Amino acid sequence: ETGVTQTPRHLVMGMTNKKSLKCEQHLGHNAMYWYKQSAKKPLELMFVYSLEERVENNSVPSRFSPECPNSSHLFLHLHTLQPEDSALYLCASSQGPTETQYFGPGTRLLVL
Amino acid sequence: QKEVEQNSGPLSVPEGAIASLNCTYSDRGSQSFFWYRQYSGKSPELIMSIYSNGDKEDGRFTAQLNKASQYVSLLIRDSQPSDSATYLCAVNLSQAGTALIFGKGTTLSVSS
Repeated sequence: ETGVTQTPRHLVMGMTNKKSLKCEQHLGHNAMYWYKQSAKKPLELMFVYSLEERVENNSVPSRFSPECPNSSHLFLHLHTLQPEDSALYLCASSQGPTETQYFGPGTRLLVL
Repeated sequence: QKEVEQNSGPLSVPEGAIASLNCTYSDRGSQSFFWYRQYSGKSPELIMSIYSNGDKEDGRFTAQLNKASQYVSLLIRDSQPSDSATYLCAVNLSQAGTALIFGKGTTLSVSS
């Protein structure tokens, strides 16, 4: 789905590093999401932004910090992560919070 | 706790057979239901959405919804090896503004 892009596609970071994941959607949607997908676990919703306002935060640790500067861009700032944070991080967008979601290709994150 | 349940599988079917994937959900007021397909290492892609009781067909895929029994299913006719993937059921909860809840997914393996 080229309508939602994510960079970088792969990231290796140490526990003391600070990095950011970027998501951009070209679909004219007004809701954006961050998900975490670990092996053997269902997709875990992390954050929801609707019209650039954060409307949902599913008890995510503060070492994950989202930012939505406009309806097309979404960032996930990472700092002092733990090895258990290694996972596939997926961005998605939709016309509204309960509408069909379209996913980006994901960022495969490895925390050493 | 609102939940979406799927049998994790693997579900194994021979090429040309019908694959039947099932999903149950706990929130009786749920309104929107989605099936996504996820190939290994890739992001989820939408197969079908269904909103009303009954069947909805799209090519080899048929989604079936029964709100009274709180289940939604996906039938894949004439299964092909390329259908081998994990299938995710997603449900929109009845609470306004709440994003989709995903099941853990069912892994389908189609043998040639």
